[in-house]
Amino acid sequence: AQSVAQPEDQVNVAEGNPLTVKCTYSVSGNPYLFWYVQYPNRGLQFLLKYITGDNLVKGSYGFEAEFNKSQTSFHLKKPSALVSDSALYFCAVRANTGGFKTIFGAGTRLFVKA
Amino acid sequence: NAGVTQTPKFRVLKTGQSMTLLCAQDMNHEYMYWYRQDPGMGLRLIHYSVGEGTTAKGEVPDGYNVSRLKKQNFLLGLESAAPSQTSVYFCASSYRTTPNNEQFFGPGTRLTVL
Repeated sequence: AQSVAQPEDQVNVAEGNPLTVKCTYSVSGNPYLFWYVQYPNRGLQFLLKYITGDNLVKGSYGFEAEFNKSQTSFHLKKPSALVSDSALYFCAVRANTGGFKTIFGAGTRLFVKA
Repeated sequence: NAGVTQTPKFRVLKTGQSMTLLCAQDMNHEYMYWYRQDPGMGLRLIHYSVGEGTTAKGEVPDGYNVSRLKKQNFLLGLESAAPSQTSVYFCASSYRTTPNNEQFFGPGTRLTVL
């Protein structure tokens, strides 16, 4: 069965510091992995995805994520955090074995302090 | 290009009442989805559709029905609302071509059942 774990409910970081939001997954076959961001009172917005190839994926707003197959992880990173990055971040996984079901993690709230 | 829109934005129901949530997308997407978002639980798939006239059950379909009479619209119905259905409901859509396509989300409907 597919599953996604985001082990931290909240991540606090100072503006200008690097940030990491963690995600681990379990899926049969090769995974498709996604990160979405949700700002208050808004729907989710797509940030980036890993399909195949280079383990470092670059996405919107300066975010990137590193796929690690041996650790089954897909951590979201940004070299220098902005206050405007404060939001709720969701990791999601879909198996490439067919089907349309995407499993979302519970979400991690990122708080960037000025 | 409006993307994915949802109506209404907010609704308060009494136990036993019925209502329909409307989702519309103008991106000519084949796939559409209904999710509910509850604190600490991420997004859970209620129902989805892979094309006009087709629907299928997701993780938590009980108490909900859906219809996809037109490609651009996906309706979610609650026949007899219960307090457990208090949640934020998100509609999403995606392209058909490959299963690794990201989803586009609407702004959400906040439903309270008293």
